[in-house]
Amino acid sequence: AQRVTQPEKLLSVFKGAPVELKCNYSYSGSPELFWYVQYSRQRLQLLLRHISRESIKGFTADLNKGETSFHLKKPFAQEEDSAMYYCALIRDSGGSNYKLTFGKGTLLTVNP
Amino acid sequence: DTGVSQDPRHKITKRGQNVTFRCDPISEHNRLYWYRQTLGQGPEFLTYFQNEAQLEKSRLLSDRFSAERPKGSFSTLEIQRTEQGDSAMYLCASSRRGLFTGELFFGEGSRLTVL
Repeated sequence: AQRVTQPEKLLSVFKGAPVELKCNYSYSGSPELFWYVQYSRQRLQLLLRHISRESIKGFTADLNKGETSFHLKKPFAQEEDSAMYYCALIRDSGGSNYKLTFGKGTLLTVNP
Repeated sequence: DTGVSQDPRHKITKRGQNVTFRCDPISEHNRLYWYRQTLGQGPEFLTYFQNEAQLEKSRLLSDRFSAERPKGSFSTLEIQRTEQGDSAMYLCASSRRGLFTGELFFGEGSRLTVL
């Protein structure tokens, strides 16, 4: 079965510092990886997907199949980045699997 | 607001009672999901519908749980004979027709407290 591991429950950085939220996965096929974010008092929402290879709000994430990782990075954290971040995967890209498996999440706090 | 809506937002009940949650997805979305989230955990998949068909159920969904989506629009999740371990946030989400991109649109959740 597929599994997503986020080793850090809490991560605290200062404004302007680089931030990296770690995500590792276990699945032998070709998964698609995602980062979801939940800001305070808001709904859980998609931040970015690995297949898009885009930067959203300054965040990027690269899928490393050798290390089975999908870490989320931002070079200069902002206070508004403070939120709960969840890494998620679906088995086998191609649009025929519809179930997202989530990690336990990392609470990011960016201090002024 | 045309997002996913859930009702009620909060429910407190006594052990052994039945509870029902309702989810109204975004109108043009044909896929609907239920997830459960407990403290310190990420959302855990419960079940998934495509139109009115329930296509997958998690082993987390015991016999006391039943979900329906009778007309392919709104969905209900019923928990019978609630137990304290059922206390959680129940999240509903929907996704667009066609190729699944991995983007789920979540509701605000229904928080259940079983006393």
